[in-house]
Amino acid sequence: TQLLEQSPQFLSIQEGENLTVYCNSSSVFSSLQWYRQEPGEGPVLLVTVVTGGEVKKLKRLTFQFGDARKDSSLHITAAQPGDTGLYLCAGVHSGNTPLVFGKGTRLSVIA
Amino acid sequence: SQTIHQWPATLVQPVGSPLSLECTVEGTSNPNLYWYRQAAGRGLQLLFYSVGIGQISSEVPQNLSASRPQDRQFILSSKKLLLSDSGFYLCAWSGGGFQPQHFGDGTRLSIL
Repeated sequence: TQLLEQSPQFLSIQEGENLTVYCNSSSVFSSLQWYRQEPGEGPVLLVTVVTGGEVKKLKRLTFQFGDARKDSSLHITAAQPGDTGLYLCAGVHSGNTPLVFGKGTRLSVIA
Repeated sequence: SQTIHQWPATLVQPVGSPLSLECTVEGTSNPNLYWYRQAAGRGLQLLFYSVGIGQISSEVPQNLSASRPQDRQFILSSKKLLLSDSGFYLCAWSGGGFQPQHFGDGTRLSIL
């Protein structure tokens, strides 16, 4: 099983601070997705990255796919309480193979 | 637009009782369908996935089973629930390939 390791597992910060969440693997992925999940709900897709070195921005969130397509990061600028949730990365190897999910980073932003 | 419905939202069952969770997708055809279980606020464990009617792939050996009787219907079942079956069960669909997955709102299952 090709694993995706996410770090940190838990993160508690003050409103306005910046943070970075990491997603690492020893294997290459054809694409990588980031999801956010709130309690009692299903995960919701934030972004998909497919090209090594790709950077995508979604308002205050910046996603980067590593050059070798083995890792990714999510950077949040000026975090807000609404950013609180479980952030999951998930990778696709090929074709119809199912997504491989990391265990998630639980973020808590305190006002 | 595509929607996914999963029910019930919560379920409390005694040990040894049967289980049936249902998931349906609207607005798309021949989706890939998935069942996941999630332990308390952590990552997703893939249980079953299906690329077509009657085609089920099992990822984890357990006392659960899945069926896909219709193109957009995916059912998770058990004949006899165990305490360890408690958890948050999520159904998802995707268009296949590298397309993202779209999740239902989940079923919180508690076994007493």
